[in-house]
This record gives sequence, structure tokens and C-alpha cells, in this order.
Amino acid sequence: AQSVTQLDSHVSVSEGTPVLLRCNYSSSYSPSLFWYVQHPNKGLQLLLKYTSAATLVKGINGFEAEFKKSETSFHLTKPSAHMSDAAEYFCVVSDVGGSQGNLIFGKGTKLSVKP
Amino acid sequence: GAGVSQSPRYKVTKRGQDVTLRCDPISSHATLYWYQQALGQGPEFLTYFNYEAQPDKSGLPSDRFSAERPEGSISTLTIQRTEQRDSAMYRCASSSTGLGRETQYFGPGTRLLVL
Repeated sequence: AQSVTQLDSHVSVSEGTPVLLRCNYSSSYSPSLFWYVQHPNKGLQLLLKYTSAATLVKGINGFEAEFKKSETSFHLTKPSAHMSDAAEYFCVVSDVGGSQGNLIFGKGTKLSVKP
Repeated sequence: GAGVSQSPRYKVTKRGQDVTLRCDPISSHATLYWYQQALGQGPEFLTYFNYEAQPDKSGLPSDRFSAERPEGSISTLTIQRTEQRDSAMYRCASSSTGLGRETQYFGPGTRLLVL
């Protein structure tokens, strides 16, 4: 069965410093992996996705993630945090071996950005 | 429409009452998903539709939950005889064809509180 584990429930960084949000996945097939962001009182927004092309995926707002099969990881990074990055981030897997694309979410990592 | 919309945005009800939540997907999208997100957790899959067909109901927590999409566009999620444990954010998403690699576009959600 597919699953994702987000290793930190809460990450706090200072503005201008790097961001690292960690995610490990488990999947029987070649997975599709996503990062979604949820700002307060707003819907979930796709940041980026991996679908078996390039292992380094660039997303919106300067975020990127690297798919590492050997480590079953898909960590999200950003070189320099901005105050507007404060939000909750979800790592998500969709099993392309299945006939449908229902998503399996991690529990989320809340990112705080200090001035 | 331009994006996925959900109504109402907030719903407060008393235990034992029935509630119906509505989702209006992106107009060209064949596939529609419902997710339940408890406080502090990631969204969890409930059910999905391909047009009006509902191939998978496995995520529905009990037979008090039902969903329909009679004309293959707007969908409703109904919870009968609500219980306090049903309190959660209910999220709807749509995608073009429902395949695992596709992006799902989420609505703003309906926050349900059962007193």
C-alpha cells in the first residue's frame, strides 16, 4: 500500500534562510509524488509534482524537490524563505499502478517564518 | 467554471441532523473526488466519480455517508444523522481524466461542525 511520512510536524525558519521539509514515501509501483500547500482559509494549491521524468522538480514560488528512489524520499526545499511561505505543506503520493488517481496525503508540516 | 467551488463554506449543525455539501468542479473535468480532513491531519480519500459513475466508495466511513453526481458535473456529499466525529473539513477536487499522474485542483473546502 502507498503511504507518505512527513518527518516534521512543525518547522520554523528565519526569513532569508533555507527551507527543508522532509518526506519519505512507500509505494509498490512507480509513484507520482506531489507537494501541496495550504494557506490559512484557502484551498490546497499544487506546488510541484514528480511523474518519472526529471528527478529534480521545480515548482512555484522558488520551491523544488528531488526524487531519490534509493532513499524513498521527496524532500521539499527553498533557498531563501519569505514571510509569505508560512503555511502548511503536504507531501502526497498517487499510485500510478492503480486505475484511479486518488491521493494519499501525509499529515502535513506547518512552516513558520520568523522575521 | 474557472475553479472548483464548494458550498457552504461553513456549516454548523446539531447531532442527528442531515447535512448536504455541494461541489462544483472545473467544467471540463471528468473526475471528481471527495476528501475528509480532520483537524491536524492530511485529507483522506472518501470517494470519487468518473462523470456520473462512482467506481470507488471504499473511503466512506459509514453508510451514513453518500455522494452523488447525477449529471456528471455538480456533486453532493450527504451525511445523515450527523455525529460529532463527523466534524471536519470536507474537500472536493477535480481532474481532467482521473489518471494517477494528473493534477487535482481543490476547492476551498466546507468546514463542518457538529454540536
